[in-house]
Amino acid sequence: QKEVEQDPGPLSVPEGAIVSLNCTYSNSAFQYFMWYRQYSRKGPELLMYTYSSGNKEDGRFTAQVDKSSKYISLFIRDSQPSDSATYLCAMTLTGGGNKLTFGTGTQLKVEL
Amino acid sequence: DTAVSQTPKYLVTQMGNDKSIKCEQNLGHDTMYWYKQDSKKFLKIMFSYNNKELIINETVPNRFSPKSPDKAHLNLHINSLELGDSAVYFCASSQEVGSGQPQHFGDGTRLSIL
Repeated sequence: QKEVEQDPGPLSVPEGAIVSLNCTYSNSAFQYFMWYRQYSRKGPELLMYTYSSGNKEDGRFTAQVDKSSKYISLFIRDSQPSDSATYLCAMTLTGGGNKLTFGTGTQLKVEL
Repeated sequence: DTAVSQTPKYLVTQMGNDKSIKCEQNLGHDTMYWYKQDSKKFLKIMFSYNNKELIINETVPNRFSPKSPDKAHLNLHINSLELGDSAVYFCASSQEVGSGQPQHFGDGTRLSIL
């Protein structure tokens, strides 16, 4: 079993929908949580960054962390075709040289 | 201006050959990383360097040897390439080695072993 689990999808939604992407993890020592977006043939691009539990909002994106449940989410409001990409959750713990542990990614397609 | 750049973008070579991938960052960051992304898109860290010093060395075969001539460059040399080395290799950098520092990725080097 991987340390970080993520539904690979693909997830297909109509334009304008609210998208919910999720990851669960097993290591309770993880403290820093990130969401990356990866377009085809490109590198991961940092979207959201959260420390410990709580919510963070940035434009159409909201990241939530529930450490008690070992569960993190990314919500995308008013989804656009340009949001079509693979979304990777990543996390790291205090100490350990900033080593990121990634989920396997969820492929999202937003259709017109 | 590309922040983290890798060369080459594509590398096709025969099994048993030796090859190198180069990475440069112009962000002024102290820490650089190599990740491997397999065919299922799973990203896994291989190495990290902080200011030319090796910090992370995951369970990677000895055929892989990173080298950091200065803090803006991190190269990856692979000896005796095997079929299982086919993957996309990503370089990343962060301002410091401290926990939670956001990492910025290059666009990857696609390595195919024939």
